[in-house]
Amino acid sequence: DIQMTQSPSSLSASVGDRVTITCRASQSISTYLNWYQQKIGKAPRLLIFAASSLQSGVPSRFSGSGSGTDFTLTIRSLQPEDFATYYCQQSYSLPPTFGQGTKLEIK
Amino acid sequence: EVQVVESGGNLVQPGRSLRLSCAASGFTFDDYAMHWVRQAPGKGLEWVSGISWIGDTIAYADSVKGRFTISRDNAKKSLSLQMNSLRVEDTAFYYCAKSPGLFAEPQFDDWGQGTLVTVSS
Repeated sequence: DIQMTQSPSSLSASVGDRVTITCRASQSISTYLNWYQQKIGKAPRLLIFAASSLQSGVPSRFSGSGSGTDFTLTIRSLQPEDFATYYCQQSYSLPPTFGQGTKLEIK
Repeated sequence: EVQVVESGGNLVQPGRSLRLSCAASGFTFDDYAMHWVRQAPGKGLEWVSGISWIGDTIAYADSVKGRFTISRDNAKKSLSLQMNSLRVEDTAFYYCAKSPGLFAEPQFDDWGQGTLVTVSS
């Protein structure tokens, strides 16, 4: 199975900040990388698919980049509703695997 | 509006069985592969099982292989997960999620609200 490792595991930031979360795959996955946001008590929500494509309805302050083994999720100008946990997931091969999550907290 | 609604979660003793269901609406059900993803309380996401749009391709996580069975009924727009020989470590919220594109390249673009399975004596 492909292992996905996110960093950091937690992050404190302020409204208006720019934040970057990284995700590393244990082998090359081309651009088969998706990002999800999960708020407490809610289901995950797809934000970014294929490493850099914005899912419909997701604000443009979210962006993704990377290929191969290293990927980033960037949130430009944090909003109060962005404080949540973020997961990466590889869709290169079965079984699909997720990173351990990055909890984004208010500073 | 896309809706995916899970049901069937409950408290069950180790070794017993439980069947989860997922009712879909607001999209063409048989255009999509469907998956189950679980999350133990306070933990991360773990893919459990998936089934192709026509049901001819199925996959399971090693942790549930031989114990869980996924199925779908396209006429009823429903997905099921039969869980046998349940273990304490199967305790989790179980989410039903749909996936566009190829079965072997799953991305989960809509999720249900989840149903809680608790395995405990």
